[in-house]
Amino acid sequence: QVQLQESGPGLVKPSQTLSLTCTVSGGSISGYYWSWIRQHPGKGLEWIGHIYYSGITYYNPSLKSRLTMSVDTSKNHFSLNLSSVTAADTAVYFCARAQLSVWDYWGQGTPVTVSS
Amino acid sequence: EVVMTQSPGTLSVSPGERATLSCRASQSISDNLAWYQQKPGQAPRLLIYGASTRATGIPARFSGSGSGTEFTLTISSLQSADFAVYYCQQYDDWVTFGGGTKVEIK
Repeated sequence: QVQLQESGPGLVKPSQTLSLTCTVSGGSISGYYWSWIRQHPGKGLEWIGHIYYSGITYYNPSLKSRLTMSVDTSKNHFSLNLSSVTAADTAVYFCARAQLSVWDYWGQGTPVTVSS
Repeated sequence: EVVMTQSPGTLSVSPGERATLSCRASQSISDNLAWYQQKPGQAPRLLIYGASTRATGIPARFSGSGSGTEFTLTISSLQSADFAVYYCQQYDDWVTFGGGTKVEIK
């Protein structure tokens, strides 16, 4: 059974960079797309981006200028860096495995608050 | 951007009854539509993809239909575990989600 676990700081200061890692267990990161999705408090879902195990990325156009995703197949994990954060980036961040842009395995989500 | 509109915002249903949830796309997305169920404090769970194909392990009481711009998720005979928020998601043109429909106990 594939499992995903997000990790990273729960509090980030405005203007700084939000960095999260998703570790995949129970299966290989190779051969799949991997994604970040976020959910603002009490709101719906927002796709952040995909990364293929080879490193090819697809970013939400609205976040593209601030977003970097990377993958480390040797550690079976992938990462998210979102720069110049504001309070609007406060959300629960989920990592997930994508197949044809639908997500069949998800992490439990990690809350991130942007505040000084 | 493809805008996804779900209706109603909240649906009150008694256990054992049928629930019909709607999702409309602002432009044709063929059958590139998925449905997810989310319970409080949990990640979404994939129910349906390709507008009508149930994901692995999803009970037959969940069914999806539609194509183009109009889609429906039907839950026949609601169980207590089915009270949750449901989201539609298009993946025809990048990815966007609907705002969700909350299915609550009547």
